[in-house]
Amino acid sequence: DTGVSQNPRHKITKRGQNVTFRCDPISEHNRLYWYRQTLGQGPEFLTYFQNEAQLEKSRLLSDRFSAERPKGSFSTLEIQRTEQGDSAMYLCASSFARGPTNYGYTFGSGTRLTVV
Amino acid sequence: GEDVEQSLFLSVREGDSSVINCTYTDSSSTYLYWYKQEPGAGLQLLTYIFSNMDMKQDQRLTVLLNKKDKHLSLRIADTQTGDSAIYFCAEKTGANNLFFGTGTRLTVIP
Repeated sequence: DTGVSQNPRHKITKRGQNVTFRCDPISEHNRLYWYRQTLGQGPEFLTYFQNEAQLEKSRLLSDRFSAERPKGSFSTLEIQRTEQGDSAMYLCASSFARGPTNYGYTFGSGTRLTVV
Repeated sequence: GEDVEQSLFLSVREGDSSVINCTYTDSSSTYLYWYKQEPGAGLQLLTYIFSNMDMKQDQRLTVLLNKKDKHLSLRIADTQTGDSAIYFCAEKTGANNLFFGTGTRLTVIP
């Protein structure tokens, strides 16, 4: 297993365009998380999935953002009509959770989005 | 609500010990984590501590938790230049996500 994989590593897009990022979690992990990190800040939670179900969404996740995990494996995060304020590093993490116990989060290397 | 605070910068000489501090506000935290982030990279989990523990040691890393004062620290013994990075403290409460501090940039001076 190569850990959590994110593609692309970098994305430059023009304001108003749509972008989609992909995350491939560790295969035996049932939970998948998306975070956003802006310059000089810690990561901020966006949303998470338990298998294919999206169980929680942050208020940071505006209507222009949508995330899917259709088969409970990889996930995509789409941003529609991008704005300059969307420029950030988008981090994906996965974990294995059984009941109330969550055995630690593994992060990917992130996708850096620049909106020009 | 959650609030996690860290000092922004720390400089140490190679071979000295580094101590990175973190305070948090949510007393219902279950796990507390330390992550390392190198430039342009994602987050690497260094260690974590369950909230009913006071201390955890893992090779050069020692985590101390003072639950009464809601204070967490990470001590790195014999700090090396490869330890230069940003270190994030994070807490997990009843919610199913992590809440991060703003990070401490550690600079190791050769």
